[in-house]
Amino acid sequence: DGGITQSPKYLFRKEGQNVTLSCEQNLNHDAMYWYRQDPGQGLRLIYYSQIVNDFQKGDIAEGYSVSREKKESFPLTVTSAQKNPTAFYLCASSIAATGNQPQHFGDGTRLSIL
Amino acid sequence: QKEVEQNSGPLSVPEGAIASLNCTYSDRGSQSFFWYRQYSGKSPELIMFIYSNGDKEDGRFTAQLNKASQYVSLLIRDSQPSDSATYLCAVNSGGFKTIFGAGTRLFVKA
Repeated sequence: DGGITQSPKYLFRKEGQNVTLSCEQNLNHDAMYWYRQDPGQGLRLIYYSQIVNDFQKGDIAEGYSVSREKKESFPLTVTSAQKNPTAFYLCASSIAATGNQPQHFGDGTRLSIL
Repeated sequence: QKEVEQNSGPLSVPEGAIASLNCTYSDRGSQSFFWYRQYSGKSPELIMFIYSNGDKEDGRFTAQLNKASQYVSLLIRDSQPSDSATYLCAVNSGGFKTIFGAGTRLFVKA
């Protein structure tokens, strides 16, 4: 079955530590996205990638980094510079990064501070 | 600042009734509109999308779009307790960025 796999499901970060969230898709989608969801708020875009080896900052990129070395994979690193990382992180993909293509989401990673 | 507004709810309806969820958006250039369902603790799941003015039906769900008034709505007929979730409205103006509303919580009473 095609889909988007995020791992781990739960992640705990210590002070000063970088952590990496995994996102893999087998839908053959070109575009991939990372969102952050806080309670009672809409999804906020962290980074997106339209194609391999290319990615762009979203609205809240500070304290985060990404890479897109393979079409299937778009890992997100939450660096120690992100002072309030506790949130639900969602990876999504779409056929292309054009407006009329719906995005499909993975199951998410819940990140907390130890 | 482009915005998508939804009433946070909760919207409570009895089982079998029609649930009506509304969403307004600020960007007149918006072209694509999406509804997602999100169960508590889970990720959003695409329910419907609509691009043109009017109604689009899919099973018990109907999306309604009125670009002149800048609102999009989702009707759920014959509501079931399993429909209880948060419904996210999302709007795209043609580029890479889709703006998500904060969602409306729906509660269907058995």
